[in-house]
Amino acid sequence: DAKTTQPTSMDCAEGRAANLPCNHSTISGNEYVYWYRQIHSQGPQYIIHGLKNNETNEMASLIITEDRKSSTLILPHATLRDTAVYYCIVIKDPRGSSNTGKLIFGQGTTLQVKP
Amino acid sequence: DAGITQSPRHKVTETGTPVTLRCHQTENHRYMYWYRQDPGHGLRLIHYSYGVKDTDKGEVSDGYSVSRSKTEDFLLTLESATSSQTSVYFCAISDNLRGQETQYFGPGTRLLVL
Repeated sequence: DAKTTQPTSMDCAEGRAANLPCNHSTISGNEYVYWYRQIHSQGPQYIIHGLKNNETNEMASLIITEDRKSSTLILPHATLRDTAVYYCIVIKDPRGSSNTGKLIFGQGTTLQVKP
Repeated sequence: DAGITQSPRHKVTETGTPVTLRCHQTENHRYMYWYRQDPGHGLRLIHYSYGVKDTDKGEVSDGYSVSRSKTEDFLLTLESATSSQTSVYFCAISDNLRGQETQYFGPGTRLLVL
């Protein structure tokens, strides 16, 4: 699976958009970009995933560059409860037993939302 | 939250004692996983299950065994706990989301081995 690079930490003002970048320059054509977050002392929480197209759900938007070598997770109106570690993960189509459980969590980006 | 519960949520035990952690799910998911999380290592897969009585090892399986006698329960056993197994343990299930198997995690069990 492709390696990802994320900034170690970021700050964001409450109510403003938080834009979290991720580089995955070695991504291959059948690999998906997943984002999870982990709020202190809780289990990781799925946010969003995508392959090529930009995606949006009730939590966030995912913007993937045309060459797919990087992506940005956007939290449109950050709140204090969005303070967490955000993980960008690249994984092959996980269907199929050989890929089962192959979520590799790196160090992620610690997002601090400030009042 | 995908209907996942873990028990106990916190446990303190002594070196050499057996410990069993339970993961329970209510939505009949086929795939279940056990991870551990330690500072500087992120989450690491211990074992996973792809059905009743069907399990396989992850990257850090030494010292751990698992069992899945029914769909809803996935048990992780430390046969003889060691201090190096002090960690936070997360259970996860896999659900199909937009055609992709996406993992959802439980709240975690904090284990301290003295």
